[in-house]
Amino acid sequence: AQKITQTQPGMFVQEKEAVTLDCTYDTSDPSYGLFWYKQPSSGEMIFLIYQGSYDQQNATEGRYSLNFQKARKSANLVISASQLGDSAMYFCAMRGSYNTDKLIFGTGTRLQVFP
Amino acid sequence: EAGVAQSPRYKIIEKRQSVAFWCNPISGHATLYWYQQILGQGPKLLIQFQNNGVVDDSQLPKDRFSAERLKGVDSTLKIQPAKLEDSAVYLCASSPFGGQQLAAEAFFGQGTRLTVV
Repeated sequence: AQKITQTQPGMFVQEKEAVTLDCTYDTSDPSYGLFWYKQPSSGEMIFLIYQGSYDQQNATEGRYSLNFQKARKSANLVISASQLGDSAMYFCAMRGSYNTDKLIFGTGTRLQVFP
Repeated sequence: EAGVAQSPRYKIIEKRQSVAFWCNPISGHATLYWYQQILGQGPKLLIQFQNNGVVDDSQLPKDRFSAERLKGVDSTLKIQPAKLEDSAVYLCASSPFGGQQLAAEAFFGQGTRLTVV
């Protein structure tokens, strides 16, 4: 069975600083994809970044990067130069190759950016 | 490109009543998901369709929840009868590919906030 674990219920970061949001996963699938989504207070889920299990390099998208450590089964999100608008819930998600494309989510981390 | 449309945005019902939610995915998307998100928690997958077939409904409480996807396009999720613990946001999402498309991003609608009183 697949499982996503996010152990940080909440994180604080000062504007312009970098922050790391943790995500560990468990799967028996030989290949899988890892996603990060942002959910502002308005409720919509916004896709941020994707990492494939066989990708050689860590994914980056603007200020977002994914610190992928396959042996440790971790896929941490790094946000550089935090902005006030980054305050939101952040969810890590996974899709496995053998699990009917099921996309499962972790419990989320609430990030608050302060001036 | 139009996004995933959901209606209604908000619904308040009494326990034991019935309710239905509607979702129109992005045109051409083969995979459609319904998630339940209880306040303060992550989205929990209720059911997943590929075209008009169910590929996973292992977490759908089938004694009270039902879902269908007509002609592989629109989908409805129904709760009958509702319980207090069904109060949540119900999110619909779609992906552009079926099959083994690991990188296929799921696009989400704005959700339906259900309150059962």
